Amino acid sequence: QVQLKESGPGLVQPSQTLSLTCTVSGFSLTSYHVSWVRQPPGKGLEWMGVIWTGGSTAYNSLLKSRLSISRDISKSQVFLKMNSLQTEDTATYYCARASDYGYTHFDYWGQGVMVTVSS
Amino acid sequence: DIKMTQSPSSLSASLGERVTISCRASENINNYLSWYQKKEDGSVKLLIYHTSRLQPGAPSRFSGSGSGKDYSLTISGLESEDIATYYCQQGYTPLTFGSGTKLEIK
Repeated sequence: QVQLKESGPGLVQPSQTLSLTCTVSGFSLTSYHVSWVRQPPGKGLEWMGVIWTGGSTAYNSLLKSRLSISRDISKSQVFLKMNSLQTEDTATYYCARASDYGYTHFDYWGQGVMVTVSS
Repeated sequence: DIKMTQSPSSLSASLGERVTISCRASENINNYLSWYQKKEDGSVKLLIYHTSRLQPGAPSRFSGSGSGKDYSLTISGLESEDIATYYCQQGYTPLTFGSGTKLEIK
């Protein structure tokens, strides 16, 4: 069955780089787009970016200068790297699969990983 | 970016009651509107996509409607397992979400 699972450090120091991995199963990264979405505590969901089936990417303009999404097809993994972290980047980070209906919504989500930015 | 305004922000209802949550987009989103359920454990589930299409596996008591800028999610007969926060999301990149509706049992 379709599964996505995020992993990464729970604590990152300010100004450092966040590295997260989304390991997927039950589908191929060459057939479905995968996105990252985050939710700061007490706030709403924010779309961060997407890696398309062809390998190109698109980012939220507010994060574009700090964010990079990549993948390893052989390992069924999608990576998020975001630099210059600040306390406002404290959030639960999710990876999500776009439905094959089109890039208009997400039909499967990971469980999320909580990341705290603090010294 | 398209802004999504969701209301109410919280809602208390009785078991068996009919519940409606609204979402308004800042511009016409041509029915590209989805609804998600987020439980306290952090899990997120797609309920409705393209305004009214029920995601396989989602209970049939969930339904969606709307057009243009205005959309709604209805739960026909609230059950205890429906306690969650609900989010709308529009389907034009950059994808944006409503601020959420926290549903509680009265």
